[in-house]
Amino acid sequence: KAGVTQTPRYLIKTRGQQVTLSCSPISGHRSVSWYQQTPGQGLQFLFEYFSETQRNKGNFPGRFSGRQFSNSRSEMNVSTLELGDSALYLCASSSGTSGGETQYFGPGTRLLVL
Amino acid sequence: GENVEQHPSTLSVQEGDSAVIKCTYSDSASNYFPWYKQELGKGPQLIIDIRSNVGEKKDQRIAVTLNKTAKHFSLHITETQPEDSAVYFCAAKSWNNAGNMLTFGGGTRLMVKP
Repeated sequence: KAGVTQTPRYLIKTRGQQVTLSCSPISGHRSVSWYQQTPGQGLQFLFEYFSETQRNKGNFPGRFSGRQFSNSRSEMNVSTLELGDSALYLCASSSGTSGGETQYFGPGTRLLVL
Repeated sequence: GENVEQHPSTLSVQEGDSAVIKCTYSDSASNYFPWYKQELGKGPQLIIDIRSNVGEKKDQRIAVTLNKTAKHFSLHITETQPEDSAVYFCAAKSWNNAGNMLTFGGGTRLMVKP
């Protein structure tokens, strides 16, 4: 099976802009979770989508949003970018049926905000 | 919410020696504890996980132990090799959470010297 894919892999934006990141889960997986990874804060949970519905949400401002499509692909959007949003954004997929299953991570999208 | 502490933050060992990384968690309802390895430029990769109904799990040179009473779990790598050099993350998930939200420790940078 193909792994989790994320596009784009690298992105440079300026403050105030918005950005959309995409994640394609492993075939058959219905849960997609997003995490932000920074040197200072480590890996932090953003949100999880399962069957097109947000199932969990972390402690991030409303500028961070996401959605999931009927084919389980997911996008996350960050509006009004701030310098502190520079990070590696990771998505992880799992079957989603029982919670606590193995999550498989993609390679991430590295976002730099100037 | 859950809080996961991980120690040490860096660990340097000689090839062939053992490495131990320890994590503590705060939520007694947590029941799933995965360990991830992250190499430079890649997303985290699951190396082993343990559930709360098991005290120890082993997979070749890697083992994880869980002490629910003390709320801590540890990763043990024996006969370390240079390719074990990476950043390792522990994580925890509460059974109260219906989805797949993981809380991660701060990470341990393991360096194996040839």
